[in-house]
Amino acid sequence: DSGVTQTPKHLITATGQRVTLRCSPRSGDLSVYWYQQSLDQGLQFLIQYYNGEERAKGNILERFSAQQFPDLHSELNLSSLELGDSALYFCASSPGSHNEQFFGPGTRLTVL
Amino acid sequence: DQQVKQNSPSLSVQEGRISILNCDYTNSMFDYFLWYKKYPAEGPTFLISISSIKDKNEDGRFTVFLNKSAKHLSLHIVPSQPGDSAVYFCAASSGGYQKVTFGTGTKLQVIP
Repeated sequence: DSGVTQTPKHLITATGQRVTLRCSPRSGDLSVYWYQQSLDQGLQFLIQYYNGEERAKGNILERFSAQQFPDLHSELNLSSLELGDSALYFCASSPGSHNEQFFGPGTRLTVL
Repeated sequence: DQQVKQNSPSLSVQEGRISILNCDYTNSMFDYFLWYKKYPAEGPTFLISISSIKDKNEDGRFTVFLNKSAKHLSLHIVPSQPGDSAVYFCAASSGGYQKVTFGTGTKLQVIP
């Protein structure tokens, strides 16, 4: 158990809909990262927050947005969903001063 | 542009023998390299890392070698055990923002 929690575990929705994925980092970790893993693909970095502020951005679509709240939990919002958005979405956290990241179990999103 | 490449999607090794997983990178700014292990239905787990100022780091059965001139790193597992069967991701980062770029993974199967 990494100490990072993600909800929900599974999400099934339809095209055009909007969903919110939630992540609670390990206690004390200030950085939160979001990744997307599509079928047979590696982990694609989406975005990083550090202590509430956006720190780095990767290949995140404009239809996606994220935020980190004062209690350090983070949410990833996916809107106007398309079939190709079906993937595993991982959240990771780190203390902020180390490069090792601790990953949550992921949320499996299926868009029908 | 795949800056971190794992050219072998899969690898099979007999129990007790050495497993060698390879990774190549193109970005000369990368200064920190990590290996993660991932079991099905779980998030990746940090395994071992190496800074660009070193060429070798060892932790028990796991050793990572870095060849900066060739932009190549490898993970050696010896002796390999059936429990090592998993997908292994190579990752790299640069600078202080800790944006991590992952490879596409190599699926290791250790045969009893």
